[in-house]
Amino acid sequence: KQEVTQIPAALSVPEGENLVLNCSFTDSAIYNLQWFRQDPGKGLTSLLLIQSSQREQTSGRLNASLDKSSGRSTLYIAASQPGDSATYLCAVGYNFNKFYFGSGTKLNVKP
Amino acid sequence: EPEVTQTPSHQVTQMGQEVILRCVPISNHLYFYWYRQILGQKVEFLVSFYNNEISEKSEIFDDQFSVERPDGSNFTLKIRSTKLEDSAMYFCASSREQGAPPQHFGDGTRLSIL
Repeated sequence: KQEVTQIPAALSVPEGENLVLNCSFTDSAIYNLQWFRQDPGKGLTSLLLIQSSQREQTSGRLNASLDKSSGRSTLYIAASQPGDSATYLCAVGYNFNKFYFGSGTKLNVKP
Repeated sequence: EPEVTQTPSHQVTQMGQEVILRCVPISNHLYFYWYRQILGQKVEFLVSFYNNEISEKSEIFDDQFSVERPDGSNFTLKIRSTKLEDSAMYFCASSREQGAPPQHFGDGTRLSIL
């Protein structure tokens, strides 16, 4: 069974800082990996999807990297804004239909 | 942008009762999923559904649970003989393809078992 770990559990930064969120997983035989954003009382919004054959994906100020051999992924957020405050979840696709989630990193960006 | 919608947003049920959680996936999506998140814990996969069949289920998804696509638009999760530990947020998701492009999630149903 996949174990997915995210560090840090919480992060508070001033607006404008660049930051890195980390995700690690125990079994490198993954199908894909997704980063989600979860706002309080809301569902999950997919931010970036990386297929197992890819090394990174970028969307705007977000960049996600994947190193399958070491079982790691990072989410880089450039020039953070207060609107980025949310919980960020990493989910590892072990097969086509099933994802294992990390516990998330709760991000607070202070104005 | 099309959304996955879930009803109700909050369901309160007496222990031992049956509950049905409803979801309307995005209309051209073919793959459907249920996840749950117990307060303070990780999001957990429950079941995936395609072509009117369960394609994958987790250890959590035992005989107490069932899923159904009763018509062309709804996707339901039924929980029989609810227990206190079934209290959680239940998320429905759908995707057009298997695993990718990414799954689209609803806002969830908060289930409270008393």
